[in-house]
Amino acid sequence: GENVEQHPSTLSVQEGDSAVIKCTYSDSASNYFPWYKQELGKRPQLIIDIRSNVGEKKDQRIAVTLNKTAKHFSLHITETQPEDSAVYFCAASSISGGYNKLIFGAGTRLAVHP
Amino acid sequence: DTAVSQTPKYLVTQMGNDKSIKCEQNLGHDTMYWYKQDSKKFLKIMFSYNNKELIINETVPNRFSPKSPDKAHLNLHINSLELGDSAVYFCASSQGRASGRALYEQYFGPGTRLTVT
Repeated sequence: GENVEQHPSTLSVQEGDSAVIKCTYSDSASNYFPWYKQELGKRPQLIIDIRSNVGEKKDQRIAVTLNKTAKHFSLHITETQPEDSAVYFCAASSISGGYNKLIFGAGTRLAVHP
Repeated sequence: DTAVSQTPKYLVTQMGNDKSIKCEQNLGHDTMYWYKQDSKKFLKIMFSYNNKELIINETVPNRFSPKSPDKAHLNLHINSLELGDSAVYFCASSQGRASGRALYEQYFGPGTRLTVT
């Protein structure tokens, strides 16, 4: 069935460094790839997304890249800050019975140390 | 002014009991979802409704029964609760009909932490 693999499961960086999280999806029909940030005890919050007709998208310190051929997409956070510490989830759309649903990766726990 | 709200926030109950979780969104969205997040933080879709119609029903035990009285509300009733049902249940909503074309951004509620003892 459809699957999204996410790596690494944990990531520890120093404040100011960059962080990269990578995901691979299995459904070649996937066309929507959101990224969510979940702080401890809080809801997942959409931080950026990309659609399959675009290869890269940037929003301030956050960027996402998509390689449809390889079925890879990545989240890049530059100039990390302690408040970036959270669990990050990638997701890919997949069609089920004619309707789109999101398949989530297992999450990456990012720790940014001052 | 909360966009997607859920009640209760915490639910502690014993095995075998029946419980309900309620969700409401005031974003005017057409589609609502229930997700389960287990102890390892894995997020998995359970159900989706579009304008009161069930459109996604994953392989969830039939002890779980969603109900959507109108497009702004989606409830989840769980019968005969088991220890393995302990998790955080998130409701989410998105604009538009996810009918194999555009899939719109999903906004999550605050979650309901269910603990079955």
